[in-house]
Amino acid sequence: EAGVAQSPRYKIIEKRQSVAFWCNPISGHATLYWYQQILGQGPKLLIQFQNNGVVDDSQLPKDRFSAERLKGVDSTLKIQPAKLEDSAVYLCASSLADEQFFGPGTRLTVL
Amino acid sequence: GENVEQHPSTLSVQEGDSAVIKCTYSDSASNYFPWYKQELGKRPQLIIDIRSNVGEKKDQRIAVTLNKTAKHFSLHITETQPEDSAVYFCAAIYTGGGNKLTFGTGTQLKVEL
Repeated sequence: EAGVAQSPRYKIIEKRQSVAFWCNPISGHATLYWYQQILGQGPKLLIQFQNNGVVDDSQLPKDRFSAERLKGVDSTLKIQPAKLEDSAVYLCASSLADEQFFGPGTRLTVL
Repeated sequence: GENVEQHPSTLSVQEGDSAVIKCTYSDSASNYFPWYKQELGKRPQLIIDIRSNVGEKKDQRIAVTLNKTAKHFSLHITETQPEDSAVYFCAAIYTGGGNKLTFGTGTQLKVEL
């Protein structure tokens, strides 16, 4: 089966600019997750969707980050405006049951 | 919320030796413990997992043990090979509470020839 797809793979922006990431989960997976992985650390959950509803966004910096999952399939994560500390890999994952399958990630560099 | 601690942060072994990575968790309700391997620049991939109703699970050269009383679990890799070199993450989750994975801080394993 096809895996979780993400784009772009790399993005370089200047601080205060905006950026958006896209994720296409594995077909049929109802749950979708966005993680932030800072270099040298484990992934940290930003937001979790069940179909098109938000299950957990307690660690999402809502003053600058937003995410949506229209129609319960694809999802976008947006940062506006970006800060230097947002430099990280943004991983999307999806699951049907307990096991989560990760996408290749988007490496964001904020200059 | 859940807190997962992982040790050591770096581990260097000779090819053929065993490697052990240990994790502790704080939430006694956690009932699913996956281990992920992440090679440089690549996505985390599940290598083995264990549920709270099992004390040990083995898959070829990889095994995981769980001590619910002490709230710790460990990854054991035997007969290590150079391709085992990667960052390994443990994680804990309470599957009845929304499937929120909490990851450890990672262990950089280097298998030397």
